[in-house]
Amino acid sequence: AQKITQTQPGMFVQEKEAVTLDCTYDTSDPSYGLFWYKQPSSGEMIFLIYQGSYDQQNATEGRYSLNFQKARKSANLVISASQLGDSAMYFCAMRDSSASKIIFGSGTRLSIRP
Amino acid sequence: GAVVSQHPSRVICKSGTSVKIECRSLDFQATTMFWYRQFPKQSLMLMATSNEGSKATYEQGVEKDKFLINHASLTLSTLTVTSAHPEDSSFYICSARAQSDTQYFGPGTRLTVL
Repeated sequence: AQKITQTQPGMFVQEKEAVTLDCTYDTSDPSYGLFWYKQPSSGEMIFLIYQGSYDQQNATEGRYSLNFQKARKSANLVISASQLGDSAMYFCAMRDSSASKIIFGSGTRLSIRP
Repeated sequence: GAVVSQHPSRVICKSGTSVKIECRSLDFQATTMFWYRQFPKQSLMLMATSNEGSKATYEQGVEKDKFLINHASLTLSTLTVTSAHPEDSSFYICSARAQSDTQYFGPGTRLTVL
């Protein structure tokens, strides 16, 4: 069975600092995809970044990068040069090839201090 | 990018009534759509997978007779909450999977049952 774990319920970071949001996962399927979504107070789910299990390099999208450590089954999100607008809930999610569905971790609430 | 809409964005209803929520993929066809439920300060929990032209697949613990799902076309899935009770009050989010396998989320519907 798939499982996603986010151990940080909340984080406070000073503006312009980098922040790492932790995510570990568990699956028996060798083929899977990992996602990070941002959910601001409006409720919409904003896709940030995707990492495939067979991708050789860590995914990057602008200020977002995914620190993918396959052996440790971790997929941490790194946000560089944080901005006030980064304050939101962040969800790690996974989909493996045996299931068509995406499941989510419990989320981390990130608050950026000015 | 692809757009998924939900209607209504907010709905307030009396206990015992039924409420229908629509999920539409606006610029792509989606053979598969997903319905999630999110309680305050919690993660998204998958309720069911909706496949065009066939019966929905419900997750364990989700009452299929209470949460009726219809996926009558490649661009529309509906979730009907029947005989709604206050405990059904929640944020309902749909997502649609495109041919590229990317999953796009709708903006969500906030249901309040009085």
